Amino acid sequence: QSALTQPASVSGSPGQSITISCTGTSSDVGGYNYVSWYQQHPGKAPKLMIYDVSNRPSGVSDRFSGSKSGNTASLTISGLQAGDEADYYCSSYTSSSTVDVVFGGGTKLTVL
Amino acid sequence: QVQLVESGGGVVQPGRSLRLSCAASGFTFSSHGMHWVRQAPGKGLEWVGVIWYDGSNKYYADSVKGRFTISRDNSMNTVYLQMNSLRAEDTSVYYCARQGSSRQLDYWGQGTLVTVSS
Repeated sequence: QSALTQPASVSGSPGQSITISCTGTSSDVGGYNYVSWYQQHPGKAPKLMIYDVSNRPSGVSDRFSGSKSGNTASLTISGLQAGDEADYYCSSYTSSSTVDVVFGGGTKLTVL
Repeated sequence: QVQLVESGGGVVQPGRSLRLSCAASGFTFSSHGMHWVRQAPGKGLEWVGVIWYDGSNKYYADSVKGRFTISRDNSMNTVYLQMNSLRAEDTSVYYCARQGSSRQLDYWGQGTLVTVSS
């Protein structure tokens, strides 16, 4: 199964907003509202930031938001902070008969 | 609070087997699907497989199908990953993760490193 497509890297200055895209197909991102986003700092386990396209778990800052259009989902981080520098991964449920979840390749966010 | 603790990682020779465990606490284990996700050194996340809350269904990534098996013991609040015929490319940190109310992986363990090398 193919991974979802994310840009390898994005960057922004403190206070700015950035958007990370995640492109799939009609069998995953485009077909279901089951897109999630995870943040991973070096040496740490991933942390859920967004689920079901645009829902934030309790405790996640409202600076993080998600959306979807067609086969592409997006994660937007507003008011960038130094602590946001991390790797970000999208994932989606997939309707493959034997596979359940597919991840994107990850995006390295650098806060300049 | 929700806790997931993986164990069983280590160095293993190609072709050998290893079983990972993930002990869960702080929630009703038997109500949640459980996933395994791995991450090769310096690489991205790769989904390995899932077992439904009652063990009735299991799904695997193509890269591990036929070699890896997920099981669970709801009386012990533990999920397992049996890895057979290990290859060098299976070298990764292996995470277990809880499936939340929808399709999200809402809690993750700290991971356990598996190194396949002769």
